[in-house]
Amino acid sequence: AQSVTQLDSHVSVSEGTPVLLRCNYSSSYSPSLFWYVQHPNKGLQLLLKYTSAATLVKGINGFEAEFKKSETSFHLTKPSAHMSDAAEYFCVVSDLPGAQKLVFGQGTRLTINP
Amino acid sequence: DSGVTQTPKHLITATGQRVTLRCSPRSGDLSVYWYQQSLDQGLQFLIQYYNGEERAKGNILERFSAQQFPDLHSELNLSSLELGDSALYFCASSPRLASYEQYFGPGTRLTVT
Repeated sequence: AQSVTQLDSHVSVSEGTPVLLRCNYSSSYSPSLFWYVQHPNKGLQLLLKYTSAATLVKGINGFEAEFKKSETSFHLTKPSAHMSDAAEYFCVVSDLPGAQKLVFGQGTRLTINP
Repeated sequence: DSGVTQTPKHLITATGQRVTLRCSPRSGDLSVYWYQQSLDQGLQFLIQYYNGEERAKGNILERFSAQQFPDLHSELNLSSLELGDSALYFCASSPRLASYEQYFGPGTRLTVT
């Protein structure tokens, strides 16, 4: 079964500094990977997705992620944090190639300090 | 706004009761997915319907059931409710049977007392 592990349950950065949210995956095939964001009392929004095209994926709001097969990682980064980035972030893998079921990591809560 | 709507927003009920959660997918989307988000289990896939038929099943309890109607809206029925069923229930939709991108609704927060 496919799985993802988010290495930090909570990350705190200062506004204007870089953000790094770490994710490792386990998959027996070439996976589809995603990052979703959940703002307080809101639904989930897709930030970006990797589906075996370019390994560096750019998403919305200045976020990007790099797929590294050798390290089985899909870390999320942003050069400069903004207060509005404070939210819960989920690393997600699809259950089977092109399949329906999404498997979520436990989430990383990102806090931005002024 | 994803275009997926869920009602009600909040639901408070007692143990042993039955509730129905409703989801309207984005216009044109044929697939509907249900997820449960709880503090101890995190976000878990429950079930998927595509064009009225059940297509994938996850960690859904036997006390829970779902259906998708001809107009493509979906309902999740939860019965014999227990305290542990308190959670946020999300619905998501996508255009096709197997789609990389799912659009999530705002969720229904269920509290069982």
